[in-house]
Amino acid sequence: KNEVEQSPQNLTAQEGEFITINCSYSVGISALHWLQQHPGGGIVSLFMLSSGKKKHGRLIATINIQEKHSSLHITASHPRDSAVYICAVRSPMDSNYQLIWGAGTKLIIKP
Amino acid sequence: DTAVSQTPKYLVTQMGNDKSIKCEQNLGHDTMYWYKQDSKKFLKIMFSYNNKELIINETVPNRFSPKSPDKAHLNLHINSLELGDSAVYFCASSQWRGSEQFFGPGTRLTVL
Repeated sequence: KNEVEQSPQNLTAQEGEFITINCSYSVGISALHWLQQHPGGGIVSLFMLSSGKKKHGRLIATINIQEKHSSLHITASHPRDSAVYICAVRSPMDSNYQLIWGAGTKLIIKP
Repeated sequence: DTAVSQTPKYLVTQMGNDKSIKCEQNLGHDTMYWYKQDSKKFLKIMFSYNNKELIINETVPNRFSPKSPDKAHLNLHINSLELGDSAVYFCASSQWRGSEQFFGPGTRLTVL
């Protein structure tokens, strides 16, 4: 069974800092998702990737398949980036394409 | 236009009651999901429907039953509500199984 671990669990930083959130998984995957849950509760899909790197605005997601590791970076962080960031992986062995979810990283950006 | 909508947003009810939460997506997606997020903020898959067929049914109590009248709707019925059912329930949809998921705003259920 795939285990998904995120680090850190909690992260507080000053506005403008470069942020890195990590996600590690234990077995091979076919895809990895990064999602954001706002303080109000809404969940938004940020990235889905299976190799390399994706960029959207100030957000960058990378994945290293060999090391079973992904990172989510936020450049020039802003208080509105404060949210919980969740990593989820899909196993190619699961015919139901079920996602295995990490526990999330709570990010607080102080002005 | 809202892509994935849920009603109601808040639901407060007594133990033993039966309630339903509705979900609709206007994205033309083939797959819809129900998740439960408990107080520890873990997201747990409950059900998934693909082309009106149940494809995932995790070990949830049979008091919970999904109903899909058509591809755009997946409603969640809960019978004999218990205190432990209190949580936020999220509906989601994806174009096909395993593709990017789009989430509804969530329904906060409180059982008294």
